[in-house]
Amino acid sequence: AQSVAQPEDQVNVAEGNPLTVKCTYSVSGNPYLFWYVQYPNRGLQFLLKYITGDNLVKGSYGFEAEFNKSQTSFHLKKPSALVSDSALYFCAVSVSTGTASKLTFGTGTRLQVTL
Amino acid sequence: DTGVSQDPRHKITKRGQNVTFRCDPISEHNRLYWYRQTLGQGPEFLTYFQNEAQLEKSRLLSNRFSAERPKGSFSTLEIQRTEQGDSAMYLCASSFGQFNQPQHFGDGTRLSIL
Repeated sequence: AQSVAQPEDQVNVAEGNPLTVKCTYSVSGNPYLFWYVQYPNRGLQFLLKYITGDNLVKGSYGFEAEFNKSQTSFHLKKPSALVSDSALYFCAVSVSTGTASKLTFGTGTRLQVTL
Repeated sequence: DTGVSQDPRHKITKRGQNVTFRCDPISEHNRLYWYRQTLGQGPEFLTYFQNEAQLEKSRLLSNRFSAERPKGSFSTLEIQRTEQGDSAMYLCASSFGQFNQPQHFGDGTRLSIL
């Protein structure tokens, strides 16, 4: 069975500083990895994905993520945080079963960016 | 807006009542998913359609839950004889093409059971 761990419930960072939101995963086979962001009372917005190829993936709004196969990690990063980045971030893993590609999510990390 | 649309946004009902939610996916998307999200948790997979065929259901999905996708377009999720534990956000997502394509989510239906 596939699983995702987000070890930090909350990450606090000052605006302008770099941010990292951690994610580790467990899966049989090759994973497809995703990051989503959720604002209050809204659905999830897709940020970026790793399928294959370069370990550093660039996504929306200046976010990027680094895939590390040996550490089974897929940490989300941004060089300079904005107050507007404050939201709930979810890491997800997917493995094709041949008939579906359901996402398994972590419990989420709340990012708080302050002035 | 051509994103995933869900209706209603909020539903308050008494325990024991039946409720039905609707999802309109992005028009060219052939895959449709339902997830459930409770407070402080990530979304959990409920069921999946490819076109009109329901191809997978989670073991979490009790027999009080049923989903349809007639004609492979919109989908409905019905919960019969609602219970307190059904209170959650119900999210619909759609995608197309390869399995590694991202799923696009609607804003969800928040269900509250009195």
